[in-house]
Amino acid sequence: AQSVTQLGSHVSVSEGALVLLRCNYSSSVPPYLFWYVQYPNQGLQLLLKYTTGATLVKGINGFEAEFKKSETSFHLTKPSAHMSDAAEYFCAVTHGSSNTGKLIFGQGTTLQVKP
Amino acid sequence: EPEVTQTPSHQVTQMGQEVILRCVPISNHLYFYWYRQILGQKVEFLVSFYNNEISEKSEIFDDQFSVERPDGSNFTLKIRSTKLEDSAMYFCASSVGSGRAGEQFFGPGTRLTVL
Repeated sequence: AQSVTQLGSHVSVSEGALVLLRCNYSSSVPPYLFWYVQYPNQGLQLLLKYTTGATLVKGINGFEAEFKKSETSFHLTKPSAHMSDAAEYFCAVTHGSSNTGKLIFGQGTTLQVKP
Repeated sequence: EPEVTQTPSHQVTQMGQEVILRCVPISNHLYFYWYRQILGQKVEFLVSFYNNEISEKSEIFDDQFSVERPDGSNFTLKIRSTKLEDSAMYFCASSVGSGRAGEQFFGPGTRLTVL
């Protein structure tokens, strides 16, 4: 069975500081990994995804994540936080042999950006 | 830019009543999903739908739930007899494909409150 754990339900950073949101997964098959962002009163928007190939993936709004198989991790980073990054972030996993694309989500991390 | 839409944004109902949540997926998408998020908990997969039939459902998706694509554009989730524990945000999503091709686009959600 697949699962996702996001360490830290709330993360607070100062504007301009490094953002690091942690995600660890469990999967018995090679995973596909995703980060979604949810702004207030909006749906989930895909930030980036890893399927195969390069383990460092770049997404929208300056975010990137690195797939580390040995650590079963897919942490999300951004070098310099902006006020507009304040939102809830979800890590999710599925796998390539899934015919249905069912996503398994983590608990979510709320990012607060202080001026 | 194409987007997934959902109506209503908020639905209040009495326990035991039937509700229908509506979604209009992106027009060229072939896979459709419902997820839910109970307040303070993670986003949970309910069901996936492809080629006019359910392709996978979770243990949450019991006989009280049903999905339908009645007219080629709408995708609905029906809860036959609502319970208090059905109160949640319900998200519809759609994708062109599944697996690697299956970036899921999410709607803004319908908040269901069961009294």
